[in-house]
Amino acid sequence: QKEVEQNSGPLSVPEGAIASLNCTYSDRVSQSFFWYRQYSGKSPELIMSIYSNGDKEDGRFTAQLNKASQYVSLLIRDSQPSDSATYLCAVDRYNFNKFYFGSGTKLNVKP
Amino acid sequence: GAVVSQHPSRVICKSGTSVKIECRSLDFQATTMFWYRQFPKQSLMLMATSNEGSKATYEQGVEKDKFLINHASLTLSTLTVTSAHPEDSSFYICSARDLLSTGELFFGEGSRLTVL
Repeated sequence: QKEVEQNSGPLSVPEGAIASLNCTYSDRVSQSFFWYRQYSGKSPELIMSIYSNGDKEDGRFTAQLNKASQYVSLLIRDSQPSDSATYLCAVDRYNFNKFYFGSGTKLNVKP
Repeated sequence: GAVVSQHPSRVICKSGTSVKIECRSLDFQATTMFWYRQFPKQSLMLMATSNEGSKATYEQGVEKDKFLINHASLTLSTLTVTSAHPEDSSFYICSARDLLSTGELFFGEGSRLTVL
């Protein structure tokens, strides 16, 4: 079983719609959760971090964490073509100082 | 957010030569840096964890004698690909954590290595 699992996609949404990206993780002691965006040929950039259950909003982005279900998601409201990228979910295991990345979900936002 | 700088961004070398890639944390001290490799259309693969002042910890299947990592200071880690071969051609990305702040992981710009 992989540490972090994501649907590889591609996920296609029309411009202006809400894109919903999902991630599950296997280790219950995971403490910190992150979403990164990676454009083709570029390195990942941090979008959101979330540490406690519930929702965290930042502009058009909302991260949701449910530790009981070992599930973390990212919602992108009013999706734009510039949001088209691969989104990586990362999980930090407590005291291991090691990030585990999912394989990423490719998002296509169609104009 | 914190800034991690990586150099060079692109490098082309002949087979059998060695290539050094530098990773610097510009505005924070990083006791730990991570080196990843990414092949086209594939996910990030952690190669090793670089610890300041001590030996790097390599992931299973990564040759430590081929991928030399040095973390001599709190702001600089280097990855040297020794005796490079065409199959080493890849996108190498370093990252560092700002443990004194948010603990978030920040990535360098990446280095694209092409071995002829």
